[in-house]
Amino acid sequence: AQSVTQLDSHVSVSEGTPVLLRCNYSSSYSPSLFWYVQHPNKGLQLLLKYTSAATLVKGINGFEAEFKKSETSFHLTKPSAHMSDAAEYFCVVTLYSSASKIIFGSGTRLSIRP
Amino acid sequence: DARVTQTPRHKVTEMGQEVTMRCQPILGHNTVFWYRQTMMQGLELLAYFRNRAPLDDSGMPKDRFSAEMPDATLATLKIQPSEPRDSAVYFCASGMNTDTQYFGPGTRLTVL
Repeated sequence: AQSVTQLDSHVSVSEGTPVLLRCNYSSSYSPSLFWYVQHPNKGLQLLLKYTSAATLVKGINGFEAEFKKSETSFHLTKPSAHMSDAAEYFCVVTLYSSASKIIFGSGTRLSIRP
Repeated sequence: DARVTQTPRHKVTEMGQEVTMRCQPILGHNTVFWYRQTMMQGLELLAYFRNRAPLDDSGMPKDRFSAEMPDATLATLKIQPSEPRDSAVYFCASGMNTDTQYFGPGTRLTVL
């Protein structure tokens, strides 16, 4: 069965410290993987995506993610958190088969302490 | 800067009334998605269309919800009759196939 698991529902870090948001997936097919961010009362916005090119993907606002097939992971990182990074983050998997399947993770709320 | 637009942004209605939400996808995108977001259930994919044809509506309650694309510039999501448990934020998104999705600002629906 295909699934996406965001391992933490809430992550809190201090401003200026690294951010790690974890995402694992299970799939029988080669997936495309996305991270989206949702700020309060806004729609979702693409941060970055992996589509079978480079395994280290750089996104907007200093975020990056590394696709590790052996670990079936696609964790999101940022070296130094900023107050404006406080938001909800969603890991998304698209599985290409006879009928494409889109699976959203349950989301991780990122809080930034001053 | 092309954007997905949704109307209305807010809707308050009474139980039993019909609700219609509209979405204008980004010109040229061939796929349109409808999502529902609540605190309890999180983000749920209700349905999506490609080239105006429904591809997957398995997430949508069929008895009261319907989604259509009358033309390439308009997608609608209708609830009839509405119930308090339908209260949520409804997002529309568009994209090319199942690549990057561009989300609208959402319609906040409250059913009393």
